[in-house]
Amino acid sequence: KAGVTQTPRYLIKTRGQQVTLSCSPISGHRSVSWYQQTPGQGLQFLFEYFSETQRNKGNFPGRFSGRQFSNSRSEMNVSTLELGDSALYLCASSRNDQRSGANVLTFGAGSRLTVL
Amino acid sequence: DQQVKQNSPSLSVQEGRISILNCDYTNSMFDYFLWYKKYPAEGPTFLISISSIKDKNEDGRFTVFLNKSAKHLSLHIVPSQPGDSAVYFCAASAGSNYKLTFGKGTLLTVNP
Repeated sequence: KAGVTQTPRYLIKTRGQQVTLSCSPISGHRSVSWYQQTPGQGLQFLFEYFSETQRNKGNFPGRFSGRQFSNSRSEMNVSTLELGDSALYLCASSRNDQRSGANVLTFGAGSRLTVL
Repeated sequence: DQQVKQNSPSLSVQEGRISILNCDYTNSMFDYFLWYKKYPAEGPTFLISISSIKDKNEDGRFTVFLNKSAKHLSLHIVPSQPGDSAVYFCAASAGSNYKLTFGKGTLLTVNP
């Protein structure tokens, strides 16, 4: 079973540009979440989509947006890039852990964004 | 306000010994707790989880303990192996919410 696929793996942008990142979840998973990882802040929740609807949103400015398509694939967009947006952006799809009942996220390898 | 805290940025242990990673939380609504491991250039990988109705969950070399009254959980790895060297993240969620709140991670180094 293929895992979570994120593209591109690495990209470099300059301040003021915009970027679109793509995520293909595990087949059959309908929930897709996005996280930002930075050295100082750790992993921070951006948003979660289920059946093309945003169900949860983290504390990020409106420059960060996302969407989900009918095939569960998701994209996130960051407009007017700032230096502080440099980070690893992680996408995850979810399943239920039968032993504990927890919703377990399976992460992709991430998209490393560098803003110059 | 950091709701999930991992107060030790790093931990070093000898191969074969026990590794104990700790995590504290402040939000009483959290009822599921998870541990993830992350190698450089890879996404976090799920290790083990526990619900708030339990105080212990085991999976092979990994055991998670939960102390609800102290709002504290720990991950025990026995025996530790060099391949366990990675950053370990503690995470928590409330109800059926798919949003996870992560700690900032602990870098575990297992020395041969």
